[in-house]
Amino acid sequence: DVKVTQSSRYLVKRTGEKVFLECVQDMDHENMFWYRQDPGLGLRLIYFSYDVKMKEKGDIPEGYSVSREKKERFSLILESASTNQTSMYLCASSSPTRTNTEAFFGQGTRLTVV
Amino acid sequence: AQTVTQSQPEMSVQEAETVTLSCTYDTSENNYYLFWYKQPPSRQMILVIRQEAYKQQNATENRFSVNFQKAAKSFSLKISDSQLGDTAMYFCAFMKHVSGGSRLTFGEGTQLTVNP
Repeated sequence: DVKVTQSSRYLVKRTGEKVFLECVQDMDHENMFWYRQDPGLGLRLIYFSYDVKMKEKGDIPEGYSVSREKKERFSLILESASTNQTSMYLCASSSPTRTNTEAFFGQGTRLTVV
Repeated sequence: AQTVTQSQPEMSVQEAETVTLSCTYDTSENNYYLFWYKQPPSRQMILVIRQEAYKQQNATENRFSVNFQKAAKSFSLKISDSQLGDTAMYFCAFMKHVSGGSRLTFGEGTQLTVNP
């Protein structure tokens, strides 16, 4: 089975801290995605990547950056955490070259910035 | 940018009955994929069903089926014989391939409650 693992299920950080959210997948997928999920807004795409060291902005990249140094790992970075970044963060991976192109998701990280 | 709209924030259905969740999307692409995902209280996103845009035949997976209307840019999910375990948030999603990769966009979600 495909496994997408996010480093933390719950995280509490202080305003102004630099925050790293890590995501690892074990299916050799080319694509990886970071979303934030807020009630009534669904999943909003922050960044995605289709190859090592490649990244593309999603719909809400402001205040975030990403890193993909290895194919299996995609990190989301909050350079200076703010209270409006309190949210659920979901990581996903997929492959555009396979018959089944759907994305597989991690279990989510609920981040609280205080 | 592609947009996906789910106009029903909440729906409820009686156990064993049928319910339809609506989704519309906006794109100028001709080749793309559409998905319905389910997110139960455990938060784990689970694929329910997928549809390739080039296929005219509507996808079905057991009690789940879609009504894909490409010209109308509509992609609704029908759940037959609803079960208590179907209670979850349901998300419609659109995927297109870009620059060697893929971009995946979601709607706002519909919270479905199945009542005993």
